[in-house]
Amino acid sequence: EAQVTQNPRYLITVTGKKLTVTCSQNMNHEYMSWYRQDPGLGLRQIYYSMNVEVTDKGDVPEGYKVSRKEKRNFPLILESPSPNQTSLYFCASGWGNEQFFGPGTRLTVL
Amino acid sequence: AQKITQTQPGMFVQEKEAVTLDCTYDTSDQSYGLFWYKQPSSGEMIFLIYQGSYDEQNATEGRYSLNFQKARKSANLVISASQLGDSAMYFCAMREGNRTNAGKSTFGDGTTLTVKP
Repeated sequence: EAQVTQNPRYLITVTGKKLTVTCSQNMNHEYMSWYRQDPGLGLRQIYYSMNVEVTDKGDVPEGYKVSRKEKRNFPLILESPSPNQTSLYFCASGWGNEQFFGPGTRLTVL
Repeated sequence: AQKITQTQPGMFVQEKEAVTLDCTYDTSDQSYGLFWYKQPSSGEMIFLIYQGSYDEQNATEGRYSLNFQKARKSANLVISASQLGDSAMYFCAMREGNRTNAGKSTFGDGTTLTVKP
């Protein structure tokens, strides 16, 4: 079954404690992306990757890091989370008529 | 810089009728893709339809069609024969580039569609 998986689905953490949200796809897609969704602000792109070892900033990259060492995985790293990073995060992969989103990760930073 | 504008925060439609959700975009790129997504109240994001900037024909996927007017920079979503399950938030989005050279994505603020029985 074609899918994008994200883990964890829910996370409550404290300011400054490094965390990683994993994202994996099984469709051999080259394009992968991370978004955050906040009430009233729609989805905003954090980072995207066009292929292995190729990543670039979206509109809101501050406070986030990514890596793309393998085609299937695109983890999102928050090295020192802050309360303003409390949000719903989506990973997505694909292009054109073949696009899939992960189920989302609801992150709360206290 | 890219910009997506969805001017209808909320829309109502009667079940079985058609509805058009508006989307205008702004970009200086020649190659780009336009997308529509659905987000039900359960929160998942569902891809609906895609239109490439060089595609001459409007995209269709079942009950969804994209009314692409390149000169006017509009990419409206038309849902025919609305169903109660179509009640959701709908996002228009644009992505720079093409399949082999894809770039940044930008989303609109969304339109909440309510289908009335």
